[in-house]
Amino acid sequence: DAKTTQPPSMDCAEGRAANLPCNHSTISGNEYVYWYRQIHSQGPQYIIHGLKNNETNEMASLIITEDRKSSTLILPHATLRDTAVYYCIVRAPTSYGKLTFGQGTILTVHP
Amino acid sequence: DAGVTQSPTHLIKTRGQQVTLRCSPKSGHDTVSWYQQALGQGPQFIFQYYEEEERQRGNFPDRFSGHQFPNYSSELNVNALLLGDSALYLCASSPRPSRENEQFFGPGTRLTVL
Repeated sequence: DAKTTQPPSMDCAEGRAANLPCNHSTISGNEYVYWYRQIHSQGPQYIIHGLKNNETNEMASLIITEDRKSSTLILPHATLRDTAVYYCIVRAPTSYGKLTFGQGTILTVHP
Repeated sequence: DAGVTQSPTHLIKTRGQQVTLRCSPKSGHDTVSWYQQALGQGPQFIFQYYEEEERQRGNFPDRFSGHQFPNYSSELNVNALLLGDSALYLCASSPRPSRENEQFFGPGTRLTVL
C-alpha cells in the first residue's frame, strides 16, 4: 500500500471549514484514497473515498489533485462533534478490505 | 439495522492466559476483518475472514488465530497473552472482499493484560 503523510494535528473554529491535507506521492494508478475518522473510544468511521475525481457526500468533500499525489478532505461546517483523529488511507488493488492506518491527524474543533 | 457488534466490551486477563473475542458483522455483510489498536496508534490489520477461511493476514504471530462461522460471525483468539497484547481490538465488516467496499467498524473490545 502506498504510504501517506498527514500533519499530526490541526485546529478549526466551529462553523468554519476544516481542510485536512494528505500526501500520497507514491500512489499507483488504480489505488483508491479513503478517509476514516475515529472519535475517542469508538471504532473508525468511514467518511469518503475516491479514485481520480472529486467526491462529495453528506459528510464531506474529497479533493484529489490531478497528479493524484495529494488530496484534501473538507468538512464544510465543522462542529464540536467533528473533533476526532482523521486517517487518510490508500488501498492497493490487492488489499481487498485490508486497511493500512497511519498516525492520522488529530482535528480539534474549538467553540 | 444493527451495525457491527463486539463482545465483551472490556476484558482483563493475566500473562499467559488465552482470550476469545467475538464479532457479529453488519447485516448483509459476509467479510470480517480484525484490527489491533495500541494506545496512541492507528489500528493494525490482523487478518480477514471470508467464506469461513482466513484470506489475508497481517504481521502478527501464530498466537493470534481466528474463526468465521456459517452465519458470518467471527472470533479472534489470542494464546499465551503478553503485556504487549493490551489494546483495543476492532472488528470490521464489509459486503465481500473488494478493493472498493467501505469497512464498517464495531466499537471494539478493550483488552488489558496484567
